[in-house]
This record gives sequence, C-alpha cells and structure tokens, in this order.
Amino acid sequence: GAVVSQHPSRVICKSGTSVKIECRSLDFQATTMFWYRQFPKQSLMLMATSNEGSKATYEQGVEKDKFLINHASLTLSTLTVTSAHPEDSSFYICSAPGLAGVADTQYFGPGTRLTVL
Amino acid sequence: GQNIDQPTEMTATEGAIVQINCTYQTSGFNGLFWYQQHAGEAPTFLSYNVLDGLEEKGRFSSFLSRSKGYSYLLLKELQMKDSASYLCAVIPGGATNKLIFGTGTLLAVQP
Repeated sequence: GAVVSQHPSRVICKSGTSVKIECRSLDFQATTMFWYRQFPKQSLMLMATSNEGSKATYEQGVEKDKFLINHASLTLSTLTVTSAHPEDSSFYICSAPGLAGVADTQYFGPGTRLTVL
Repeated sequence: GQNIDQPTEMTATEGAIVQINCTYQTSGFNGLFWYQQHAGEAPTFLSYNVLDGLEEKGRFSSFLSRSKGYSYLLLKELQMKDSASYLCAVIPGGATNKLIFGTGTLLAVQP
C-alpha cells in the first residue's frame, strides 16, 4: 500500500531555533498534503493544506510566518517551525490523499515529535 | 465554524460491545472517517461512510445519519488491544480530502 514517511521522527531543539520537518509520499504523487498538530491527550488539529507549486492554505488561527510550508515537488512537503518556543512542542503529522477523486484514501505519516527546550 | 464532538473517555470490559458516538456540524459534508490511534503513533484507518446506514467490517461497524449529523463506531468482542483513542473526522463541503477531526475518545478496555 501507499506509504508516507516523515523525517525526523523526533527532534529536540533550543528555544529560538528553527526546525524543518519533511513529509514524503514514497510510492505515489501527492499534489496536496496536509499538516496536523496534536497536543497530548488531544485530537489532531489541521494546520494547513500544502499545495504543490503554489502557496499553502492555512487554517484560521495558524501563523503562516511561523509555520512555513513548502511543497517543492509531487512527493515532498516540508514544514519549518521558525523561532520555536516551548509552546510549539507537539506531535506533528502529515497526510496525503491517495488516488485522485477517491475520498476514502488518506495516508498518514508516522509523525514527528518536537520538543522545544 | 466546524464542530465535531465525541465523548472524551469511555471504559468497557473485555469481550463486551461499546458504541462511540460522534456528532458534527460542518459547512457541508463529503464523508466521515473513523480512525484508531495509539499514543505516539499515526492514526489508522477504520471506516469511511458517505451514505446513510451501517458499514460493517469484522468486529468494527460504523453508522451514519446525515440528516442528524450523527455517526457511531461500534466495537464488538472487545480486546485489550482495542484500548486506544478513536477519532471521528469529517470532510466538509467544498474541500477535497481535507479532514477535520473531532475531539477524540479515549477508550480503556478492562479485563
């Protein structure tokens, strides 16, 4: 089946630094990818829709200058958390729809645990 | 706005049946998913409903009523490994494959 990978799986950084998280579709092309954030004991919150070749679409309340999204190719989207602070510590998950027009396929990456000290 | 509500926590006994409810109010509707998620892992697909009625898949069944904005996930013959969070997610209208997740239900299965 289709696979989505994320790198790194875990990252610890100092406050004020920037962290880049990669999301790759390994055996299919994804013109759209989604980024979610999940705090402990909470559900997934959609942050933004990453669009290949164009600007990302951010959900209300998500700072686009803080969470930079780049979808440079049909298999790679990156999320950069700029000037990270402890409150940005969270589990970040990406997903990609599978076959075009088939709404019931959605492939999730394994997630990235970000800890900001 | 989009509201998708689930009970926060539930407890059930091994071998029993449990029903996890989900109510939603979204701007349009293009389908509803149920996912299982263990702590620290990505969600795992369980079911997808787009038409009214019951979808059965082994020990798991999912029901949808679009007119009521209501779905439930039914788990039969509960096993200890079913202890996990269960997430209801809706594709709202006008968006292709964009998922809005509910609050999630943490299910604890006890011996």
